[in-house]
Amino acid sequence: AQSVAQPEDQVNVAEGNPLTVKCTYSVSGNPYLFWYVQYPNRGLQFLLKYITGDNLVKGSYGFEAEFNKSQTSFHLKKPSALVSDSALYFCAVRGLTGGFKTIFGAGTRLFVKA
Amino acid sequence: DAGVTQSPTHLIKTRGQQVTLRCSPKSGHDTVSWYQQALGQGPQFIFQYYEEEERQRGNFPDRFSGHQFPNYSSELNVNALLLGDSALYLCASSLGGDTDTQYFGPGTRLTVL
Repeated sequence: AQSVAQPEDQVNVAEGNPLTVKCTYSVSGNPYLFWYVQYPNRGLQFLLKYITGDNLVKGSYGFEAEFNKSQTSFHLKKPSALVSDSALYFCAVRGLTGGFKTIFGAGTRLFVKA
Repeated sequence: DAGVTQSPTHLIKTRGQQVTLRCSPKSGHDTVSWYQQALGQGPQFIFQYYEEEERQRGNFPDRFSGHQFPNYSSELNVNALLLGDSALYLCASSLGGDTDTQYFGPGTRLTVL
């Protein structure tokens, strides 16, 4: 069965510092991995995805993520956090055996302090 | 170019009633997926519609049904509402491939009393 784990409910970081939001997955075959961000009372906004190729994926708003097959991880990173990055972040996976079904993690709330 | 739109924004119903939520996909997209997001949780896949047919379904009871129209817009119907159906219902549109990105609408907040 496919699954996604976001081990941290909350991440706190100071503005200007690098941030990492962790994600691990379990899927049969090659995974398709996604990161989304959700602001209060809003839908999800797409940040980036990994399908194949280069393990380092660059996305919107300066975010990037690194696919690590051996550790089954897809951590979201940003070199310098902004207060406006404070939001709820979701990792998601789609796998060949799951068809078109996308599985989301429970989410990680990011707080960036000025 | 309009993104994904959903209506209504908010809805209050009582137990046992039926509800219909609507979604218009992003221009050029032919696939619509519906998700339920309970408070404090990630979105849960309900089903996906492609070429006017339900292509895949998640672990939701038959009380949840849907429809896709020739213009690719979609409806989600929930019958015999339960208190536990209270959630944010998200619609996502995409092209039909399994690697394609889903783009989400703002959601419909359903409250069941």
